[in-house]
Amino acid sequence: GAVVSQHPSRVICKSGTSVKIECRSLDFQATTMFWYRQFPKQSLMLMATSNEGSKATYEQGVEKDKFLINHASLTLSTLTVTSAHPEDSSFYICSATKEWNTIYFGEGSWLTVV
Amino acid sequence: AQKITQTQPGMFVQEKEAVTLDCTYDTSDQSYGLFWYKQPSSGEMIFLIYQGSYDEQNATEGRYSLNFQKARKSANLVISASQLGDSAMYFCAMREGTTYYGGATNKLIFGTGTLLAVQP
Repeated sequence: GAVVSQHPSRVICKSGTSVKIECRSLDFQATTMFWYRQFPKQSLMLMATSNEGSKATYEQGVEKDKFLINHASLTLSTLTVTSAHPEDSSFYICSATKEWNTIYFGEGSWLTVV
Repeated sequence: AQKITQTQPGMFVQEKEAVTLDCTYDTSDQSYGLFWYKQPSSGEMIFLIYQGSYDEQNATEGRYSLNFQKARKSANLVISASQLGDSAMYFCAMREGTTYYGGATNKLIFGTGTLLAVQP
């Protein structure tokens, strides 16, 4: 069964609004989680590292004020896309490490901004 | 800088045959980890297999095996006895550091993927 759960799996929002995506580790604690973005027919690109109890670490070129990350507990990280625009439409997916040699991903979230 | 290269954008294989998906990598680190993931059309990323840079034996997980050639910096995935359900996108990925306590960041760098189509 899934060890990392992501919700919602699909979301549509209006341009200018904000949308929150949750990533949960189901049976283990994750001090760090990672958020990736994937455009159609492309590879996954790391957006940021979510750190429990501290600020997220963003990759170069990722707007931290647009993509707000909160890691309030050892099992939950949230990604909020603020003031969403159509170009933010994408597949967002999170990962967490249960054992050192297995990195699990959530089911992913398809965001469509209209 | 680390880099993963998958040179096969797409491949066909007949059902029940074996297929090799290529992956080469570039890193100056001595300690690193290599992963393969399967991504069906639903989008989820399914972990398949892991190989650490210090592992002396090639990793195997059921029908999946990893042909690790360290000197050539290649980590090809071999799928034996292909099934129709194996049709999906396959990604090779690399993490710096082989163990959590050895400084692994758990950030992954991905290749561009190979789309595998299994034909009946």
